[in-house]
Amino acid sequence: AQSVSQHNHHVILSEAASLELGCNYSYGGTVNLFWYVQYPGQHLQLLLKYFSGDPLVKGIKGFEAEFIKSKFSFNLRKPSVQWSDTAEYFCAVNAYSSASKIIFGSGTRLSIRP
Amino acid sequence: EAQVTQNPRYLITVTGKKLTVTCSQNMNHEYMSWYRQDPGLGLRQIYYSMNVEVTDKGDVPEGYKVSRKEKRNFPLILESPSPNQTSLYFCASSLRVISGANVLTFGAGSRLTVL
Repeated sequence: AQSVSQHNHHVILSEAASLELGCNYSYGGTVNLFWYVQYPGQHLQLLLKYFSGDPLVKGIKGFEAEFIKSKFSFNLRKPSVQWSDTAEYFCAVNAYSSASKIIFGSGTRLSIRP
Repeated sequence: EAQVTQNPRYLITVTGKKLTVTCSQNMNHEYMSWYRQDPGLGLRQIYYSMNVEVTDKGDVPEGYKVSRKEKRNFPLILESPSPNQTSLYFCASSLRVISGANVLTFGAGSRLTVL
């Protein structure tokens, strides 16, 4: 069965620090990968996605993620965080052959100190 | 404005009292899905629908029912709610599932407490 692991449950950073949130998945076939973000009091929204092609994908607000197939990873990065990046971040995966089922990780809460 | 609308946003109910959480989207999306979000567990899929009259179980369907009689609506029904169904519920939709790609638009969430 597919699964998604986000090992960092709560990350606390100061403004301007660099960010990397880990995401690992278990599935042997072709996958589509997503990062969603939930800002306080707001809907979940798509941050970025990977379907195919360049494994380094850029999303909104300066975020990027790198798909490393050999490591089954899709880590989220940002070189310099801002207070407004405080949110909960979810990694998600769906198998190419079964896109109706999207598996989410447990989420990482990011707190930024001003 | 393109959106997914859920109601109610907040509900406190008692064990055994049937309730329905409505979900409606105005984007002519074919795919709709329900998730529950619990601390430390992330989002878990309850049910999904590929199109009108086509529904299927997700990972945690026990205690829930759904229907998809119209394209825009996908209500979640709790026939006899129990305290373990206390959770934050999200409805989501996407235009269609093509070549494995399924980008979701989420509703604002419905916080349900079952006493």
